[in-house]
Amino acid sequence: GNSVTQMEGPVTLSEEAFLTINCTYTATGYPSLFWYVQYPGEGLQLLLKATKADDKGSNKGFEATYRKETTSFHLEKGSVQVSDSAVYFCAPVYGAGGTSYGKLTFGQGTILTVHP
Amino acid sequence: DTGVSQDPRHKITKRGQNVTFRCDPISEHNRLYWYRQTLGQGPEFLTYFQNEAQLEKSRLLSDRFSAERPKGSFSTLEIQRTEQGDSAMYLCASSQMAGGITDTQYFGPGTRLTVL
Repeated sequence: GNSVTQMEGPVTLSEEAFLTINCTYTATGYPSLFWYVQYPGEGLQLLLKATKADDKGSNKGFEATYRKETTSFHLEKGSVQVSDSAVYFCAPVYGAGGTSYGKLTFGQGTILTVHP
Repeated sequence: DTGVSQDPRHKITKRGQNVTFRCDPISEHNRLYWYRQTLGQGPEFLTYFQNEAQLEKSRLLSDRFSAERPKGSFSTLEIQRTEQGDSAMYLCASSQMAGGITDTQYFGPGTRLTVL
């Protein structure tokens, strides 16, 4: 079935370090790709998205590029802050038309901790 | 727009009891999703509605689970004869589906269920 694999965590970085969290998905159809973030004690929030190949999603200094050839959507940030400490989820939306289009398939999540 | 709301935020029950959760989506959204998240895992899809029609149910959803969205607005998720394995965070999300293209899903804060 459809699935997504995220980089295992936890990831611990110092402030201003470069961040990469890897995400690969199974290539069934042409999914839209999302990164969601869950801050401590809060609900899931959309971080960024990309809906077709070579699209780059960006928000709050985070970026991810839809790579169809490698079925990847890696999350990057050039300089992390303590406030970026959270759990990050990669989530494709599978389905091509029809009534099943739209449900998110989440990765296991990557815990990021940023120290001052 | 107040976002997606869920009630209650926490529920503690004894094994064998029935529980019901409510989700109020963003008002103009026609799609409503239920997910379940256990500790250390990403959310798993349970079911979703387009307006009042329940279009898909996951195989995770046993016969003890039932969901409704009677008027195409709020939704309820009922679990009958709860088991300890039902302990999890139950998440609701909503989105606007238009022209066969689904938009971003916005999540509520979740209902944390503990079955003793």
